[in-house]
Amino acid sequence: SQKIEQNSEALNIQEGKTATLTCNYTNYSPAYLQWYRQDPGRGPVFLLLIRENEKEKRKERLKVTFDTTLKQSLFHITASQPADSATYLCALGGGSSASKIIFGSGTRLSIRP
Amino acid sequence: DVKVTQSSRYLVKRTGEKVFLECVQDMDHENMFWYRQDPGLGLRLIYFSYDVKMKEKGDIPEGYSVSREKKERFSLILESASTNQTSMYLCASSSNPPMNTEAFFGQGTRLTVV
Repeated sequence: SQKIEQNSEALNIQEGKTATLTCNYTNYSPAYLQWYRQDPGRGPVFLLLIRENEKEKRKERLKVTFDTTLKQSLFHITASQPADSATYLCALGGGSSASKIIFGSGTRLSIRP
Repeated sequence: DVKVTQSSRYLVKRTGEKVFLECVQDMDHENMFWYRQDPGLGLRLIYFSYDVKMKEKGDIPEGYSVSREKKERFSLILESASTNQTSMYLCASSSNPPMNTEAFFGQGTRLTVV
């Protein structure tokens, strides 16, 4: 069955450092991969999308890479700030069922001052 | 401001009751989704719909059904609520490629079955 794994349930880093989150998947050939941020008590909010033919995407302090051979995406937040503390979810879409979007379990990121 | 609205923020229901969770979107999106979120398990897809009256099972459809009679509205039905369906339920909507495919989420419904 299709599976998405986000390797770390929780990640705790010092303010100013780069946070790197990992998303691996199996039994899936997505057309795109997305990253979302979720704050407590709220629904996820979209951050970035990267397509299967793209290697890297950037948006301000965020960078996403996508390796379809390794079936892995890395999500980086540079110059991290306490306000970046949240749960980050990766999601896959556009596979054999084009409309379907499935999510990983998330990584809870804490940035300490 | 684009919106996905879920009918209730909190619900408490009794075991065996039939429960309806309603979701409305105002973005004219083709796709709508129902997920449940439990600690350590992330968002698990229950059902999704890619058009009016069309639906597909997600990863955990057992004990649930859905209805999409109008494009903007997607309902999740718990035929006979059980305590293991106590969870946070999230509705989302999205467009098809080549439009932006990001999912927009509602605020969630925290359902407790007693």
